Amino acid sequence: GIQVEQSPPDLILQEGANSTLRCNFSDSVNNLQWFHQNPWGQLINLFYIPSGTKQNGRLSATTVATERYSLLYISSSQTTDSGVYFCTPYMRFGAGTRLTVKP
Amino acid sequence: GAVVSQHPSRVICKSGTSVKIECRSLDFQATTMFWYRQFPKKSLMLMATSNEGSKATYEQGVEKDKFLINHASLTLSTLTVTSAHPEDSSFYICSAREGGEQFFGPGTRLTVL
Repeated sequence: GIQVEQSPPDLILQEGANSTLRCNFSDSVNNLQWFHQNPWGQLINLFYIPSGTKQNGRLSATTVATERYSLLYISSSQTTDSGVYFCTPYMRFGAGTRLTVKP
Repeated sequence: GAVVSQHPSRVICKSGTSVKIECRSLDFQATTMFWYRQFPKKSLMLMATSNEGSKATYEQGVEKDKFLINHASLTLSTLTVTSAHPEDSSFYICSAREGGEQFFGPGTRLTVL
C-alpha cells in the first residue's frame, strides 16, 4: 500500500509564528486530504487537495502530485491550532505532526 | 460539510462481552464507510472498508470474526467488537465519503475491563 511520511513529527511554536508541514507519499494519488485532530479526538477537515493550491484563512495547502508531496502552511499561529495534523492520501494516514503553539 | 455521527461516544464493558458501535451519515448517503482505530498518541489505522449491501473488506491483520461490520443501509454502518478483551481498548473512528472527500465521526472510546 501507499506509504506516507510526515515531517516534522513534533513542532513547538510561539503564538504568531508561521510554519510549514510536509507530507511525502510513495505513489501517485488523485485523492489527498489534510486533517486537524483536536484534543478531544475529532478530526476536522482542513483541505481536500489532490493537486494545486488552496487557501482558507490563515491556512493554505499545496499538493504537487507529480512529485508526490503536499505542504500545509499555517500563518500567524494561535494556541487553538495545537493538535495533530494528518495528511491522508487514499484514506491512509501518516504518523502526523504534533503541533504545540505556546502563548 | 457533511456530518457523520457515532454512537456511543464512550463505552466501558467487561471482558468477554460484545460491543456495537454505530456510524451514521446524517445529511448524505454513503455507499462506503471506513472504520479506523487509534491507540494513544498514535496515528489512525484503517481496519476495514464497509460496503452497503455487501461484505466488508478488511485490512491485512484485522480479524473479521473479531470485528464484525454490517452496512445495512446507505446511512448506517455498525462495528461489533465480539468477545472484547482489554487489548481491544482503543479509540474507534468511522468515516464516510461524499464525492472524493472523507468526513469523520467524533469517535468511540472503548475501554474493556
